[in-house]
Amino acid sequence: QQPVQSPQAVILREGEDAVINCSSSKALYSVHWYRQKHGEAPVFLMILLKGGEQKGHEKISASFNEKKQQSSLYLTASQLSYSGTYFCGTEKPGGGADGLTFGKGTHLIIQP
Amino acid sequence: NAGVTQTPKFQVLKTGQSMTLQCAQDMNHEYMSWYRQDPGMGLRLIHYSVGAGITDQGEVPNGYNVSRSTTEDFPLRLLSAAPSQTSVYFCASRRTGTNYGYTFGSGTRLTVV
Repeated sequence: QQPVQSPQAVILREGEDAVINCSSSKALYSVHWYRQKHGEAPVFLMILLKGGEQKGHEKISASFNEKKQQSSLYLTASQLSYSGTYFCGTEKPGGGADGLTFGKGTHLIIQP
Repeated sequence: NAGVTQTPKFQVLKTGQSMTLQCAQDMNHEYMSWYRQDPGMGLRLIHYSVGAGITDQGEVPNGYNVSRSTTEDFPLRLLSAAPSQTSVYFCASRRTGTNYGYTFGSGTRLTVV
């Protein structure tokens, strides 16, 4: 079953912050986050393995609440280059060998 | 180091035709998978492989076959193309172990008429 992402779309001004949520009705083993620009392949941002884990990547960070079965991606002081569609992908227990189940994506538009 | 290479980039097929989408990676990754991407649907898993000689079905496997004779190559075969298979197809690979993400190929845009 696909994880649910919210919001579906968000429009920001450059410098504003955004939060993208990913929740699942099934127990999560880990959560991946990817960004895809129009006409390009998805690009891996980060993976969160443990409940409560947080990670950062420049001004992009994420948290994983295993108990609530959800993860959130935080984009602070957004830049024009952050525009794109963000996907979360969830793994079954076992280490991700059997691929990911992706959410439908969140479209992020950053305006100057 | 080319990463994940997919060919062709674009393809138009007639209903009922068959074809093979090629995927090759040069990173010695054991795990490989195929996804299709349709507007508003995200990426859906078609088939995956955990190593040479081992494949299994994903979420939407009907109408597709795969094989994995080498670590590097993971072709996707459309047996008898249907308009519902019009989509963008992505191949992805990752190394074994935890804490690694997938590297995606640049995709194949397939239109079935």
